[in-house]
Amino acid sequence: ETGVTQTPRHLVMGMTNKKSLKCEQHLGHNAMYWYKQSAKKPLELMFVYSLEERVENNSVPSRFSPECPNSSHLFLHLHTLQPEDSALYLCASGGAGGVSPLHFGNGTRLTVT
Amino acid sequence: SQQGEEDPQALSIQEGENATMNCSYKTSINNLQWYRQNSGRGLVHLILIRSNEREKHSGRLRVTLDTSKKSSSLLITASRAADTASYFCANQGQGAQKLVFGQGTRLTINP
Repeated sequence: ETGVTQTPRHLVMGMTNKKSLKCEQHLGHNAMYWYKQSAKKPLELMFVYSLEERVENNSVPSRFSPECPNSSHLFLHLHTLQPEDSALYLCASGGAGGVSPLHFGNGTRLTVT
Repeated sequence: SQQGEEDPQALSIQEGENATMNCSYKTSINNLQWYRQNSGRGLVHLILIRSNEREKHSGRLRVTLDTSKKSSSLLITASRAADTASYFCANQGQGAQKLVFGQGTRLTINP
């Protein structure tokens, strides 16, 4: 148990579907992150929220839309994805300012058909 | 780019042997962290070393940091089958909020 819970664990969606990934943490952290992990590539930082404000957006296509309604919850809304978006999507939380270690969830394995 | 590189990409050793993984990075850092990832799971933080530290220990783990060479190493002593996983280094640049991860080293411990 990492303290960071991601749902669903697996998701298969068509290119025209709309779905959302959910992340929840009860560690009292003020920052939350979305990372994308593809085979044979380094972890790619997608979005960072600190104190519920987006502070980083690493040129992610608009078909990925994050939402952080409060410091404990983070969503990634998906629409009209491409097959190359298939990957493991990892959520993490940490202290604001980014110095403290990150706590990761177990990820959502996304397959786009 | 801050992105680091791990070396080797894959390492296979016998149980009981020591495993050494290396990491290089490109810019000045605030700290460097090592994480482990078991197959199909999230990353788990192992150890953090600050830029003014040269060596740190945690159980069977030993991390060194050489800021002049922009490199770090992770040593796992007396390896066990349960140490089989991918290991990632991640650096936080000075004044930056984000961690930048390398590609990782896949470690296999053979019983």
